[in-house]
Amino acid sequence: SQQGEEDPQALSIQEGENATMNCSYKTSINNLQWYRQNSGRGLVHLILIRSNEREKHSGRLRVTLDTSKKSSSLLITASRAADTASYFCATDPGGGYGKLTFGQGTILTVHP
Amino acid sequence: GAGVSQSPSNKVTEKGKDVELRCDPISGHTALYWYRQSLGQGLEFLIYFQGNSAPDKSGLPSDRFSAERTGGSVSTLTIQRTQQEDSAVYLCASSLATRTEAFFGQGTRLTVV
Repeated sequence: SQQGEEDPQALSIQEGENATMNCSYKTSINNLQWYRQNSGRGLVHLILIRSNEREKHSGRLRVTLDTSKKSSSLLITASRAADTASYFCATDPGGGYGKLTFGQGTILTVHP
Repeated sequence: GAGVSQSPSNKVTEKGKDVELRCDPISGHTALYWYRQSLGQGLEFLIYFQGNSAPDKSGLPSDRFSAERTGGSVSTLTIQRTQQEDSAVYLCASSLATRTEAFFGQGTRLTVV
């Protein structure tokens, strides 16, 4: 079963608007990661946030983590048509040895 | 190499045949993952190798699926007696260690006809 669940499943916005995607998970984590996928092939890592962090920024990306609610959000500011892609969260569980488990993803469409 | 390399990029096979999918991870990466992605779906975990530890095979969907990693580097995913439901993109990823980002290959698109 998938650890992370993203919502919404699909998001359609205009260029320049902000896009927010959410991820919920069930078990404790060591870190949570966000990835982007274009055209259904390889994924590209965007950002990693550790369980003792609450917020992280990278360029136009802002990720928050609330371990009490077992949830994370990815905010893309000032979106561009080139941001059109699928976005996945992946959880790295506490304990064990770090198996990454992915959610179903959010399909983001940014209209020019 | 510069990134994770998977071969072949595309594979069409007849139902009942065996297939082998290859993954060359980034040199020095100790962790290697295999995932499967059906059209429009999320990533389904298949198997995870970490250093010399026993692999986590908990995601393999049936005993027709197996994987090995030789010398801590190249990995091969083998599917025996392929079925139409095996059609998907098979993605390989590697990471330098646990708790770090994973780097993905471009995947192998398997079509069973």
